[in-house]
Amino acid sequence: GQQLNQSPQSMFIQEGEDVSMNCTSSSIFNTWLWYKQDPGEGPVLLIALYKAGELTSNGRLTAQFGITRKDSFLNISASIPSDVGIYFCAGRGNQGGKLIFGQGTELSVKP
Amino acid sequence: SQTIHQWPATLVQPVGSPLSLECTVEGTSNPNLYWYRQAAGRGLQLLFYSVGIGQISSEVPQNLSASRPQDRQFILSSKKLLLSDSGFYLCAWSLDRHYGYTFGSGTRLTVV
Repeated sequence: GQQLNQSPQSMFIQEGEDVSMNCTSSSIFNTWLWYKQDPGEGPVLLIALYKAGELTSNGRLTAQFGITRKDSFLNISASIPSDVGIYFCAGRGNQGGKLIFGQGTELSVKP
Repeated sequence: SQTIHQWPATLVQPVGSPLSLECTVEGTSNPNLYWYRQAAGRGLQLLFYSVGIGQISSEVPQNLSASRPQDRQFILSSKKLLLSDSGFYLCAWSLDRHYGYTFGSGTRLTVV
């Protein structure tokens, strides 16, 4: 079945640094989503992407829908302690159906 | 606006006891509903999904079952819990198959 490879698995950074994470798929997706999960909470949708090449921002977060439609990237600029959590990518293929989730990137920010 | 409610927030149950977790959605009709489990390894494992009342699809054979007795109610059950059923259970809904999912706040289940 379809799989998503999300990397890195974890990141330990200093406050103020920029962060990049990405997801790649073995097949073409027509929807890419990025979620953040705070400890003990459910994931919350950060950014949704629906077109190849699309670049969308949400505050300090920027995500891109890869031109090949097989990857997506999330960047966080000037990280702050509240950015701590697990970030998940999710994608959906051309036929619609269930979202496929990546394994998550756990972000730790040192003040 | 739409909201999703999931309860209880935490639960400690002995091995062999039954389980019932409830999820309800407000402010929409005929949502797609999902149950996920998140183990300590942190990935999201899809357990069940439903596209309508009484329609349940199981993704992983296991000790759990799901039911959808009403349009906006999704229930996760077990007759006899196992230690391996411990985890963080998340309910989610979506408007249809083209939209993202909205997650509930989760239930932390510890089987002892």
